[in-house]
Amino acid sequence: GAGVSQSPSNKVTEKGKDVELRCDPISGHTALYWYRQRLGQGLEFLIYFQGNSAPDKSGLPSDRFSAERTGESVSTLTIQRTQQEDSAVYLCASSFNGWYTDTQYFGPGTRLTVL
Amino acid sequence: TQLLEQSPQFLSIQEGENLTVYCNSSSVFSSLQWYRQEPGEGPVLLVTVVTGGEVKKLKRLTFQFGDARKDSSLHITAAQPGDTGLYLCAGAGSGGGADGLTFGKGTHLIIQP
Repeated sequence: GAGVSQSPSNKVTEKGKDVELRCDPISGHTALYWYRQRLGQGLEFLIYFQGNSAPDKSGLPSDRFSAERTGESVSTLTIQRTQQEDSAVYLCASSFNGWYTDTQYFGPGTRLTVL
Repeated sequence: TQLLEQSPQFLSIQEGENLTVYCNSSSVFSSLQWYRQEPGEGPVLLVTVVTGGEVKKLKRLTFQFGDARKDSSLHITAAQPGDTGLYLCAGAGSGGGADGLTFGKGTHLIIQP
Protein backbone atom coordinates (compact mmCIF):
# COMPACT_ATOMS: atom_id res chain seq x y z
CA GLY A 1 0.00 0.00 0.00
CA ALA A 2 1.73 3.13 -1.19
CA GLY A 3 1.32 6.14 1.01
CA VAL A 4 2.89 9.54 0.49
CA SER A 5 6.66 9.29 0.28
CA GLN A 6 9.23 12.04 0.62
CA SER A 7 12.93 12.20 -0.06
CA PRO A 8 15.40 12.72 1.33
CA SER A 9 14.31 11.97 4.89
CA ASN A 10 17.10 14.15 6.23
CA LYS A 11 19.11 16.89 4.56
CA VAL A 12 21.96 18.84 6.09
CA THR A 13 23.24 21.72 4.01
CA GLU A 14 25.39 24.78 4.35
CA LYS A 15 23.96 28.26 4.36
CA GLY A 16 23.71 29.60 0.83
CA LYS A 17 23.32 26.24 -0.90
CA ASP A 18 20.24 25.23 -2.87
CA VAL A 19 18.16 22.19 -1.86
CA GLU A 20 15.45 20.22 -3.60
CA LEU A 21 12.85 18.23 -1.70
CA ARG A 22 10.73 15.60 -3.39
CA CYS A 23 7.21 14.34 -2.74
CA ASP A 24 5.48 11.34 -4.29
CA PRO A 25 1.74 11.55 -3.58
CA ILE A 26 -0.74 8.73 -3.39
CA SER A 27 -1.66 7.58 -6.88
CA GLY A 28 -4.93 9.12 -8.05
CA HIS A 29 -4.81 12.08 -5.67
CA THR A 30 -5.25 15.30 -7.61
CA ALA A 31 -4.48 17.60 -4.68
CA LEU A 32 -1.03 18.03 -3.16
CA TYR A 33 0.09 20.27 -0.31
CA TRP A 34 3.37 21.41 1.19
CA TYR A 35 3.68 22.43 4.84
CA ARG A 36 6.57 23.50 7.04
CA GLN A 37 6.89 22.51 10.70
CA ARG A 38 9.37 24.47 12.72
CA LEU A 39 10.40 23.33 16.17
CA GLY A 40 7.70 24.26 18.68
CA GLN A 41 5.40 25.61 15.99
CA GLY A 42 2.32 24.33 14.25
CA LEU A 43 2.35 23.26 10.66
CA GLU A 44 2.55 26.22 8.31
CA PHE A 45 0.78 25.88 4.96
CA LEU A 46 3.06 26.73 2.03
CA ILE A 47 1.38 25.82 -1.25
CA TYR A 48 -1.37 23.73 -2.82
CA PHE A 49 -1.47 22.03 -6.22
CA GLN A 50 -4.58 20.92 -8.04
CA GLY A 51 -3.13 18.75 -10.75
CA ASN A 52 0.00 20.57 -11.85
CA SER A 53 -1.43 24.02 -11.17
CA ALA A 54 -0.75 26.09 -8.06
CA PRO A 55 -3.40 28.84 -7.97
CA ASP A 56 -1.86 30.75 -5.07
CA LYS A 57 1.82 30.93 -4.24
CA SER A 58 1.52 33.63 -1.59
CA GLY A 59 2.09 31.13 1.24
CA LEU A 60 5.68 30.52 0.16
CA PRO A 61 7.89 32.26 2.77
CA SER A 62 10.08 34.14 0.28
CA ASP A 63 11.06 34.27 -3.37
CA ARG A 64 13.84 31.79 -2.55
CA PHE A 65 11.13 29.13 -2.36
CA SER A 66 9.58 27.59 -5.44
CA ALA A 67 7.54 24.48 -6.12
CA GLU A 68 6.38 22.56 -9.12
CA ARG A 69 4.40 19.44 -9.85
CA THR A 70 4.48 17.15 -12.84
CA GLY A 71 0.92 16.29 -13.85
CA GLU A 72 -0.79 14.61 -10.91
CA SER A 73 2.43 13.05 -9.77
CA VAL A 74 5.71 14.07 -8.23
CA SER A 75 6.23 17.49 -6.70
CA THR A 76 9.46 19.23 -5.82
CA LEU A 77 10.01 22.08 -3.39
CA THR A 78 13.18 24.02 -4.09
CA ILE A 79 14.84 26.38 -1.65
CA GLN A 80 17.56 28.57 -3.12
CA ARG A 81 20.33 30.19 -1.10
CA THR A 82 19.23 28.46 2.09
CA GLN A 83 19.24 30.37 5.36
CA GLN A 84 19.37 29.04 8.92
CA GLU A 85 15.74 30.06 9.47
CA ASP A 86 14.79 27.58 6.72
CA SER A 87 15.67 24.72 9.09
CA ALA A 88 12.45 22.79 9.67
CA VAL A 89 10.61 19.62 8.78
CA TYR A 90 8.96 19.97 5.38
CA LEU A 91 5.83 17.87 5.09
CA CYS A 92 3.96 16.94 1.95
CA ALA A 93 0.36 15.73 1.88
CA SER A 94 -2.04 14.60 -0.81
CA SER A 95 -5.80 14.26 -0.95
CA PHE A 96 -8.30 12.91 -3.45
CA ASN A 97 -9.75 16.13 -4.82
CA GLY A 98 -8.95 19.07 -2.55
CA TRP A 99 -12.38 19.51 -0.94
CA TYR A 100 -12.46 21.03 2.54
CA THR A 101 -13.71 17.71 3.94
CA ASP A 102 -10.96 15.75 2.22
CA THR A 103 -8.58 13.67 4.26
CA GLN A 104 -5.02 14.85 3.74
CA TYR A 105 -2.52 12.01 3.91
CA PHE A 106 0.88 13.16 5.06
CA GLY A 107 4.30 11.85 4.22
CA PRO A 108 6.98 11.37 6.89
CA GLY A 109 8.62 14.68 6.06
CA THR A 110 12.09 15.89 5.16
CA ARG A 111 14.10 17.28 8.06
CA LEU A 112 16.19 20.14 6.71
CA THR A 113 19.08 21.48 8.74
CA VAL A 114 20.91 24.55 7.47
CA LEU A 115 24.28 25.05 9.13
CA THR B 1 -5.19 35.43 8.83
CA GLN B 2 -6.89 32.53 10.58
CA LEU B 3 -5.35 31.32 13.83
CA LEU B 4 -6.05 28.29 15.98
CA GLU B 5 -5.10 28.42 19.65
CA GLN B 6 -4.61 25.00 21.12
CA SER B 7 -4.40 24.30 24.84
CA PRO B 8 -2.81 22.99 26.88
CA GLN B 9 0.52 22.87 25.07
CA PHE B 10 1.82 20.13 27.37
CA LEU B 11 -0.09 17.66 29.51
CA SER B 12 1.23 14.80 31.61
CA ILE B 13 -1.28 12.67 33.50
CA GLN B 14 -1.58 9.25 35.04
CA GLU B 15 -3.08 6.26 33.27
CA GLY B 16 -6.83 6.07 33.82
CA GLU B 17 -7.42 9.81 34.13
CA ASN B 18 -9.59 11.84 31.79
CA LEU B 19 -8.40 14.86 29.83
CA THR B 20 -9.65 17.49 27.43
CA VAL B 21 -7.71 19.39 24.78
CA TYR B 22 -9.13 22.64 23.43
CA CYS B 23 -8.83 24.32 20.06
CA ASN B 24 -10.15 27.87 19.75
CA SER B 25 -10.33 30.51 17.06
CA SER B 26 -12.05 33.77 16.27
CA SER B 27 -12.54 32.51 12.72
CA VAL B 28 -15.20 30.21 11.32
CA PHE B 29 -13.98 27.01 9.70
CA SER B 30 -15.78 24.84 7.18
CA SER B 31 -14.40 21.75 8.87
CA LEU B 32 -12.16 20.95 11.80
CA GLN B 33 -9.80 18.03 11.81
CA TRP B 34 -7.83 16.38 14.60
CA TYR B 35 -4.54 14.66 13.87
CA ARG B 36 -2.07 12.67 15.90
CA GLN B 37 1.64 12.86 15.08
CA GLU B 38 4.35 10.47 16.23
CA PRO B 39 8.05 11.44 16.24
CA GLY B 40 9.59 11.25 12.77
CA GLU B 41 6.24 10.76 11.07
CA GLY B 42 3.63 12.92 9.43
CA PRO B 43 0.29 13.66 11.11
CA VAL B 44 -2.40 11.01 10.83
CA LEU B 45 -6.04 12.03 10.69
CA LEU B 46 -8.21 10.97 13.63
CA VAL B 47 -11.50 12.66 12.76
CA THR B 48 -13.15 15.39 10.70
CA VAL B 49 -16.10 17.38 12.06
CA VAL B 50 -18.13 19.53 9.71
CA THR B 51 -21.43 20.54 11.29
CA GLY B 52 -21.70 23.02 14.17
CA GLY B 53 -22.45 21.13 17.38
CA GLU B 54 -21.33 17.84 15.89
CA VAL B 55 -20.00 15.19 18.25
CA LYS B 56 -18.00 12.20 17.07
CA LYS B 57 -16.71 9.32 19.14
CA LEU B 58 -13.73 7.13 18.35
CA LYS B 59 -13.47 4.52 21.11
CA ARG B 60 -12.34 6.47 24.17
CA LEU B 61 -11.92 9.73 22.22
CA THR B 62 -14.79 12.20 21.88
CA PHE B 63 -14.54 15.13 19.47
CA GLN B 64 -16.87 18.11 19.48
CA PHE B 65 -17.24 21.00 17.04
CA GLY B 66 -18.59 24.21 18.52
CA ASP B 67 -21.99 25.48 17.46
CA ALA B 68 -20.41 28.49 15.74
CA ARG B 69 -17.74 26.32 14.09
CA LYS B 70 -14.98 28.36 15.71
CA ASP B 71 -13.79 25.91 18.34
CA SER B 72 -13.42 22.23 19.03
CA SER B 73 -12.44 19.90 21.82
CA LEU B 74 -10.95 16.45 22.16
CA HIS B 75 -11.82 14.49 25.29
CA ILE B 76 -10.05 11.26 26.20
CA THR B 77 -11.61 8.98 28.76
CA ALA B 78 -9.49 6.65 30.86
CA ALA B 79 -6.24 7.61 29.14
CA GLN B 80 -3.74 4.86 28.39
CA PRO B 81 0.03 5.01 27.76
CA GLY B 82 -0.67 4.25 24.10
CA ASP B 83 -2.45 7.62 23.84
CA THR B 84 0.88 9.38 24.32
CA GLY B 85 1.69 11.62 21.37
CA LEU B 86 1.29 15.03 19.75
CA TYR B 87 -2.31 15.97 19.02
CA LEU B 88 -2.99 18.65 16.41
CA CYS B 89 -6.17 20.42 15.47
CA ALA B 90 -6.52 21.89 11.99
CA GLY B 91 -9.20 24.02 10.39
CA ALA B 92 -10.18 24.08 6.74
CA GLY B 93 -11.54 27.16 5.03
CA SER B 94 -14.35 27.26 2.50
CA GLY B 95 -11.82 27.43 -0.30
CA GLY B 96 -10.90 23.82 0.23
CA GLY B 97 -7.38 22.83 -0.66
CA ALA B 98 -6.49 26.28 -1.90
CA ASP B 99 -6.70 27.57 1.68
CA GLY B 100 -4.62 24.74 3.07
CA LEU B 101 -5.19 23.71 6.65
CA THR B 102 -4.61 26.08 9.55
CA PHE B 103 -2.95 24.10 12.33
CA GLY B 104 -2.73 24.72 16.03
CA LYS B 105 0.67 24.35 17.69
CA GLY B 106 -0.31 21.02 19.15
CA THR B 107 -0.70 19.38 22.53
CA HIS B 108 2.09 17.11 23.72
CA LEU B 109 0.34 14.44 25.73
CA ILE B 110 2.16 12.01 28.04
CA ILE B 111 0.26 9.26 29.79
CA GLN B 112 2.27 7.75 32.61
CA PRO B 113 1.67 4.13 33.56
